[in-house]
Amino acid sequence: AQKITQTQPGMFVQEKEAVTLDCTYDTSDPSYGLFWYKQPSSGEMIFLIYQGSYDQQNATEGRYSLNFQKARKSANLVISASQLGDSAMYFCATKTYSGYSTLTFGKGTMLLVSP
Amino acid sequence: SQTIHQWPATLVQPVGSPLSLECTVEGTSNPNLYWYRQAAGRGLQLLFYSVGIGQISSEVPQNLSASRPQDRQFILSSKKLLLSDSGFYLCAWSGGQGADEQYFGPGTRLTVT
Repeated sequence: AQKITQTQPGMFVQEKEAVTLDCTYDTSDPSYGLFWYKQPSSGEMIFLIYQGSYDQQNATEGRYSLNFQKARKSANLVISASQLGDSAMYFCATKTYSGYSTLTFGKGTMLLVSP
Repeated sequence: SQTIHQWPATLVQPVGSPLSLECTVEGTSNPNLYWYRQAAGRGLQLLFYSVGIGQISSEVPQNLSASRPQDRQFILSSKKLLLSDSGFYLCAWSGGQGADEQYFGPGTRLTVT
């Protein structure tokens, strides 16, 4: 079974600063993926970034980057140059690729960006 | 490009009434489809997923059911709603290839009174 832990229920950051949202995972499968989603107040879940367990380099997508530390089983999301529109819930998720599996989500971190 | 639709956007139903939520996907074929429920301030709970027409896997046995009558249509139903069925229902699709990331619809906010 897979497990995702997000220990920060809430985070505050000032506009234009960088912020790191923590995520640790637990899986015994050697082939897995890590995903981050953003959920603004409207409710829709928006896919942000993906990291595969065999990827050598950390994933980046615009202002989002994933700090993947395999030995520590962590996959922290880094948002650079925060914007007011980044205020939202952020969910980390994982799935394995041995056989069929679905996404397992963490409980989320609420990020508030202040002017 | 692919789009995913859900309706209705909001729904208020009395306890004991039936439920039907619909999800359709455009711009892709043979997607994997998923139903999630999110209670207020909580994470996502996978309810059902489907890898093909008529193929439904249930993750949480309860008074809800799902059906996939067409390739890109996924329906969540209940014969008799409970108060505990209130929540935000999200449908998602994935391509089943590569990273297999899921893309979500706008959601349905259900209040059972």
